[in-house]
Amino acid sequence: NAGVTQTPKFRILKIGQSMTLQCTQDMNHNYMYWYRQDPGMGLKLIYYSVGAGITDKGEVPNGYNVSRSTTEDFPLRLELAAPSQTSVYFCASSYNREAETQYFGPGTRLLVL
Amino acid sequence: GQQLNQSPQSMFIQEGEDVSMNCTSSSIFNTWLWYKQDPGEGPVLLIALYKAGELTSNGRLTAQFGITRKDSFLNISASIPSDVGIYFCAGQLPQGGSEKLVFGKGMKLTVNP
Repeated sequence: NAGVTQTPKFRILKIGQSMTLQCTQDMNHNYMYWYRQDPGMGLKLIYYSVGAGITDKGEVPNGYNVSRSTTEDFPLRLELAAPSQTSVYFCASSYNREAETQYFGPGTRLLVL
Repeated sequence: GQQLNQSPQSMFIQEGEDVSMNCTSSSIFNTWLWYKQDPGEGPVLLIALYKAGELTSNGRLTAQFGITRKDSFLNISASIPSDVGIYFCAGQLPQGGSEKLVFGKGMKLTVNP
């Protein structure tokens, strides 16, 4: 199993550009999550999904959108990139709601200039 | 939002030394988790704690769930160079599942050979 994979690893965006961060898991997990990690800060939940077709907001959803059309994929969309969205983004998946079952991807580093 | 206070923020130790870190909060948690993050990678779960007072070991790692359910500590004994990384605590709130995880800001550990 590849686990949780994320692409790209690194991206530079100009203010106002849009992009999609890709996340795929091959563990048949129902639950998937997007977090952002700012320097010196704890992970913050952006959006999560409990299954295909079901998504919900986390703590910091503004400026982002998600979709979950399949069990495997959970893309994160930035429509109008802002400098405040400069961060490292982690996707995670789990087979149930218990936190200890979460597996994290390697992260996408995003720089908005 | 909820906050976890993790201390210290960083430590520089010699190989072979022990190191301790802790997390405190004003909130009660049902589960405490400790993660390690290597540079350029996502967090990896080290230890999960489920009951107040619980003491759990994983090799050279020992963690405890505080009696008040508002704190936890992690000890690493006989440190080795590969212990270098950032260590995070996380608490799962009683009223939710993994979408209700609160993360500490992390402790950066440097081990001098």
